[in-house]
Amino acid sequence: AQRVTQPEKLLSVFKGAPVELKCNYSYSGSPELFWYVQYSRQRLQLLLRHISRESIKGFTADLNKGETSFHLKKPFAQEEDSAMYYCALKGAQKLVFGQGTRLTINP
Amino acid sequence: DAGVIQSPRHEVTEMGQEVTLRCKPISGHNSLFWYRQTMMRGLELLIYFNNNVPIDDSGMPEDRFSAKMPNASFSTLKIQPSEPRDSAVYFCASSLSSGNTIYFGEGSWLTVV
Repeated sequence: AQRVTQPEKLLSVFKGAPVELKCNYSYSGSPELFWYVQYSRQRLQLLLRHISRESIKGFTADLNKGETSFHLKKPFAQEEDSAMYYCALKGAQKLVFGQGTRLTINP
Repeated sequence: DAGVIQSPRHEVTEMGQEVTLRCKPISGHNSLFWYRQTMMRGLELLIYFNNNVPIDDSGMPEDRFSAKMPNASFSTLKIQPSEPRDSAVYFCASSLSSGNTIYFGEGSWLTVV
């Protein structure tokens, strides 16, 4: 079975502070992991995927198979980062999401 | 391409009424997904199709929910009869089955009163 856990429903940090959004997964196969972002009243959009090992808008995420984690990090938060963030796992053809973390960046 | 197109964007209906949500996937995509988003449960996968065939409907909450994909460019999600607890945002998404990026529509905001 596929499962994604985001332990924090809400996360609030000050502008310029580091941000880490936690994601843990459970999957028996070789996982593909993603982070999606949803800005206020907009559609979900892909932020980054682990296979690309890219940095988007200053965010990075490293897949740690030993800890079954895929935490999203940014060293210096910006106000425009306030949004809902979803971690997702793709097994076979199905994409399963965590419950999401609402990130608020305080000025 | 205009992306995944959903209609209606907003719907308010009375309990007991039938609700039909519509989705046009991105042209050429052969996988289609219906998700439900609520504050309490986050994003839940309801059902997904591959080449117009339902592959996994284990997320469909109960028999009041049904989904069809009569052709590659159209899908519906129907709730009959609707209940207040069905109030949520329903997202449709599509992808290439061989790809790993799923593209979402803007969602249909359903309120059942």
